[in-house]
Amino acid sequence: GQQLNQSPQSMFIQEGEDVSMNCTSSSIFNTWLWYKQDPGEGPVLLIALYKAGELTSNGRLTAQFGITRKDSFLNISASIPSDVGIYFCAGQLSPNQGGKLIFGQGTELSVKP
Amino acid sequence: SAVISQKPSRDICQRGTSLTIQCQVDSQVTMMFWYRQQPGQSLTLIATANQGSEATYESGFVIDKFPISRPNLTFSTLTVSNMSPEDSSIYLCSVAGYRSEKLFFGSGTQLSVL
Repeated sequence: GQQLNQSPQSMFIQEGEDVSMNCTSSSIFNTWLWYKQDPGEGPVLLIALYKAGELTSNGRLTAQFGITRKDSFLNISASIPSDVGIYFCAGQLSPNQGGKLIFGQGTELSVKP
Repeated sequence: SAVISQKPSRDICQRGTSLTIQCQVDSQVTMMFWYRQQPGQSLTLIATANQGSEATYESGFVIDKFPISRPNLTFSTLTVSNMSPEDSSIYLCSVAGYRSEKLFFGSGTQLSVL
């Protein structure tokens, strides 16, 4: 079945540093979504990307929809302690492939003050 | 985005029992889904809750184990039946936004089976 490879699995960084994580797949996706999950909570949508090559920002977060439609990255600039959590990418398959969302394995981010 | 209330938020259950999880949305939504998140893992779609008809289950999930109800456009339940320790997971309700690919999640139900 379709899979998303999300990397890195975990990151330990110093407050103020920039962070980058990405997802790749052998499948083409129509939409890419990025979520953040805090402990004991459900995932919260951060950014949605709808077109190949699209670059979208949400505050200190920037995400891009890869030109091949098989990958996406998320950057966080000037990290702060509240950025700690697990970040998931999700790709939506085309309607003729069922249109489902497939989730990456997550990137666990730790920020040292 | 819709406000999604899920309860219970957590429960500890005995093997062989069943637990029903409720999901209430503050507005009518077309699509409602149930996901499972096993410890340290990603999210796996269990089923799509269809209003007025039987849920659509993903491969590996069956109605006898995870019966789902959706009596209207704002409410759904997921039952985890005849539980075993392997069912210990977070169960998440989600709804589709205006563009159906954009999912919003409830806060989840943390289930531990002893």
